[in-house]
Amino acid sequence: DTEVTQTPKHLVMGMTNKKSLKCEQHMGHRAMYWYKQKAKKPPELMFVYSYEKLSINESVPSRFSPECPNSSLLNLHLHALQPEDSALYLCASRPVLRGNTEAFFGQGTRLTVV
Amino acid sequence: QKEVEQDPGPLSVPEGAIVSLNCTYSNSAFQYFMWYRQYSRKGPELLMYTYSSGNKEDGRFTAQVDKSSKYISLFIRDSQPSDSATYLCASRGNGNKLVFGAGTILRVKS
Repeated sequence: DTEVTQTPKHLVMGMTNKKSLKCEQHMGHRAMYWYKQKAKKPPELMFVYSYEKLSINESVPSRFSPECPNSSLLNLHLHALQPEDSALYLCASRPVLRGNTEAFFGQGTRLTVV
Repeated sequence: QKEVEQDPGPLSVPEGAIVSLNCTYSNSAFQYFMWYRQYSRKGPELLMYTYSSGNKEDGRFTAQVDKSSKYISLFIRDSQPSDSATYLCASRGNGNKLVFGAGTILRVKS
């Protein structure tokens, strides 16, 4: 199993809504990432969890709240978003110990804030 | 200066051509170098992964890293229309942070 699964695939939410994005992997990877990608731009790092602890927060606004409940799951809780937060949100995972591969990405959640 | 520089293109080639995609990086601490392929509205797919300098070949794809000149390359032989996508180079030091280039849009015409 070399998959990173993200749900939902598409999400439309109002600026007063609260929603969550979910990410799951069963490759035993202990680093998990959230990226944001706008059209025709590269992925932009938001958060990194290593061994279920937050290791990198790229100064992301508090309306985005990550959570890593266990080594297979990563959530991104959304609250009071703005239309400019509309983007493709990508989850990735990577084996922390030196191995023969690098980060795998999920297919993303396409978020539209109205 | 961005840590990883990549020409966004677009690069347009005829089917069967050899494609050369390139990046430069500035951070001497980078040790891991990746190429991802991204189709429209999909997540990036890991194509090639190289540790330190050298070449790595996988089918029609060859990745090269020259740490002395801080240059990363991806060669695609016998390019196909299905290779049309955005190609992202990425680098990482010993930590967790992956740094991406801007991505190059490749179009292979049949």
